[in-house]
Amino acid sequence: NAGVTQTPKFRILKIGQSMTLQCAQDMNHNYMYWYRQDPGMGLKLIYYSVGAGITDKGEVPNGYNVSRSTTEDFPLRLELAAPSQTSVYFCASSFSPDHSPLHFGNGTRLTVT
Amino acid sequence: EDKVVQSPLSLVVHEGDTVTLNCSYEVTNFRSLLWYKQEKKAPTFLFMLTSSGIEKKSGRLSSILDKKELFSILNITATQTGDSAIYLCAVLRTNAGKSTFGDGTTLTVKP
Repeated sequence: NAGVTQTPKFRILKIGQSMTLQCAQDMNHNYMYWYRQDPGMGLKLIYYSVGAGITDKGEVPNGYNVSRSTTEDFPLRLELAAPSQTSVYFCASSFSPDHSPLHFGNGTRLTVT
Repeated sequence: EDKVVQSPLSLVVHEGDTVTLNCSYEVTNFRSLLWYKQEKKAPTFLFMLTSSGIEKKSGRLSSILDKKELFSILNITATQTGDSAIYLCAVLRTNAGKSTFGDGTTLTVKP
């Protein structure tokens, strides 16, 4: 019962570096999401996908890119990291958001210095 | 733009107290409201509410939705230290495929 798996758990980046946050789910969910959570705040949607090959922007997409080549994987790419991207990133998936809740990964804590 | 406002932002109580957390929303084509509990890591699902006036209950936790006044409450009775967490409220529009979250209520239960 792996559910939603995120890697890495922690990462420190220097300003201007790039990295990819990995997310995989084994529940055959079509819907997948990337959220960021800043201290004392709720979850802000970065990007989401309703199925393989389909992605769309959320509330805060600037500075990020995604791809969805398979149902299982939904990586998040940070190009030219900035201190404002210091946050905790959560990946989530859902079978059908109208009828079922989100299943979250354990998060990636990213610090950009 | 969808809006979800939770109150209070933080709350400190003692074990055995009863707490009420609030979530108000403004959303077009409302589908459902969900409550999540977040301890150290990932949020976990508590309740999904779609109809007004029907209470959902799980142990000491219960929740109800008022679609006319556009809010929901989450009640926790006989609180325990293990209830200490961030409680998140999220709303979903019909066929939108994505949820909008509030900023959460941080509950601290002291022994």
